[in-house]
Amino acid sequence: DAGVIQSPRHEVTEMGQEVTLRCKPISGHNSLFWYRQTMMRGLELLIYFNNNVPIDDSGMPEDRFSAKMPNASFSTLKIQPSEPRDSAVYFCASSRQGADEKLFFGSGTQLSVL
Amino acid sequence: KNEVEQSPQNLTAQEGEFITINCSYSVGISALHWLQQHPGGGIVSLFMLSSGKKKHGRLIATINIQEKHSSLHITASHPRDSAVYICAVSPGTSGSRLTFGEGTQLTVNP
Repeated sequence: DAGVIQSPRHEVTEMGQEVTLRCKPISGHNSLFWYRQTMMRGLELLIYFNNNVPIDDSGMPEDRFSAKMPNASFSTLKIQPSEPRDSAVYFCASSRQGADEKLFFGSGTQLSVL
Repeated sequence: KNEVEQSPQNLTAQEGEFITINCSYSVGISALHWLQQHPGGGIVSLFMLSSGKKKHGRLIATINIQEKHSSLHITASHPRDSAVYICAVSPGTSGSRLTFGEGTQLTVNP
């Protein structure tokens, strides 16, 4: 298996622009997580899907952030409009079932909002 | 006080030394994860455990549920072990939300 695949690896955009991050989880994994990592706050859970359904989105910072999982093999995290404080590394991870199973992380998307 | 505390924050060792990183937590948990993040930024799950001890190569992870404490040991350390090691716990009441420690920066010198 290729592991969790994220794209793009790097994204540089200007404030106000829409940003879409993509994730393909490992086949057969029922749970998908979006995390954000910053120097100040470390790793934070943004949203958790189980069987394509959002279960916990309490970590989504504000309405500018939205996430979808239209099927078991694809998820997107969208920021619209983007702001400089959104600059961070965004990780997608998947597991067979929830956070009580081993997590497999994608390589992350380094987002810079100028 | 953070729910998950790691010590030390920074650790420098010489190649071959035995290394221990500690993690203490204050909440009930259903699972504890040890993660490794290399300078390139990628995160790898090393262990997920809920009791006892697990071993993989030169790495050993232990957990004491009663004392709310876990340790990650590295035997015969090598410069390629240099990374940030992160402890994360899954609270017993939720199957989704991991609480992360701040990480331990390990540098192993040749």
